[in-house]
Amino acid sequence: SYVVTQPPSVSVAPGQTASIACGGNNIGSKSVHWYQQKPGQAPVLVVYDDSDRPSGIPERFSGSNFGNTATVTTLTISRVEAGDEADYYCQVWDGNSDQFVFGSGTKVTVL
Amino acid sequence: EVQLVESGGGSVQPGGSLRVSCAASGFSLNDFWMHWIRQVPGKGLEWVSRIANDGSASRYADSVKGRFTISRDTAKNTLYLQMNNVRADDTAVYYCARPYCPGDCLGAFDIWGQGTMVTVSS
Repeated sequence: SYVVTQPPSVSVAPGQTASIACGGNNIGSKSVHWYQQKPGQAPVLVVYDDSDRPSGIPERFSGSNFGNTATVTTLTISRVEAGDEADYYCQVWDGNSDQFVFGSGTKVTVL
Repeated sequence: EVQLVESGGGSVQPGGSLRVSCAASGFSLNDFWMHWIRQVPGKGLEWVSRIANDGSASRYADSVKGRFTISRDTAKNTLYLQMNNVRADDTAVYYCARPYCPGDCLGAFDIWGQGTMVTVSS
């Protein structure tokens, strides 16, 4: 089955930029979606289809795709705020197994 | 307002059964494939199952195949997950979720319920 990897944690100072990696075999050929989850709450979609933002999500959240053969894609949070502290999950659909796969999650800590 | 509200969670013994529900409002289940996703407390998200907008097809994660059944009642606009022969590792918060696009959409989940906790323990 398809495996999606994420670093367990990322730390960033307020006002700086946080980059969260999401890795997988040829992940660049897949549509990648990103979710933010704060303690005790349901996940919230922050980026879909690699780089699109749902309405209401600040432009500070952006996604990158480095081409079809890329093995890593990233979520970038610019001008980080204390309220961005949360767990972030990437997610893809694996056509081979027809299953939806989540990364293990990255905890973003704002210093 | 588009909303999903889960219910039916609780404690169940290993080998037992439980059915969790997800009441949808603000849209029709006839228009969207619907999903169940679970999360062990303190752990990551795991996709569990999905059902077609017309109810004609369903898919399951390997971890629940043969034990869980997804269904829907369009008159009540409610999604269900019947959990049979449950195991300790089924203990989790169960979320229902809707993709952002209608039909056979393989896209992101933009609507989530608040979740319902299922605990499997003797």
